[in-house]
Amino acid sequence: EAQVTQNPRYLITVTGKKLTVTCSQNMNHEYMSWYRQDPGLGLRQIYYSMNVEVTDKGDVPEGYKVSRKEKRNFPLILESPSPNQTSLYFCASSSTTGKYSTDTQYFGPGTRLTVL
Amino acid sequence: RKEVEQDPGPFNVPEGATVAFNCTYSNSASQSFFWYRQDCRKEPKLLMSVYSSGNEDGRFTAQLNRASQYISLLIRDSKLSDSATYLCVVPRGGGYQKVTFGTGTKLQVIP
Repeated sequence: EAQVTQNPRYLITVTGKKLTVTCSQNMNHEYMSWYRQDPGLGLRQIYYSMNVEVTDKGDVPEGYKVSRKEKRNFPLILESPSPNQTSLYFCASSSTTGKYSTDTQYFGPGTRLTVL
Repeated sequence: RKEVEQDPGPFNVPEGATVAFNCTYSNSASQSFFWYRQDCRKEPKLLMSVYSSGNEDGRFTAQLNRASQYISLLIRDSKLSDSATYLCVVPRGGGYQKVTFGTGTKLQVIP
């Protein structure tokens, strides 16, 4: 089954304790992206990756890091989480081989993070 | 002007009604547009894409007006299962490197 998986699904942590949210896709997609969703603000793009070892900042990258060492994985790293990073996080992936440069994004189930 | 703007609603409509949402965008270079559906705090799922003037899929019709820079989503014969938040998505600059999501329009279909 084609899917994007995220782990953990729920996480409560404390300020300053480093954490990693994993994202994996089994569709051989080149493009992967991380978003956060907050009430009234919609989904905002944190980082994206066009392919292995190619990553770039989205609109709200501060406080986050990413890496893309393998095509299927795109972990999101919070080196020193703060309460303002409490949010619902979504990972997404997309093929780049469609007719148009933008193709359907497939989303993971989301990770609900609370930073105390 | 915001990059992507949607009326947050909620739109409360009876079953069987026709309802339409608009989404305005500011980047005239955008080439493709998407409507995603999101059920309460779950992952967004693609509903329709719009590349030219419009697209139709069953009860759903998406239209694009480049001159006025808006896209619309029309839902005919609303079902209870259509209750969700509808997100307008606009890639920037013609590519999908960066995308902007609207904040969504909430639809509630009432029996």
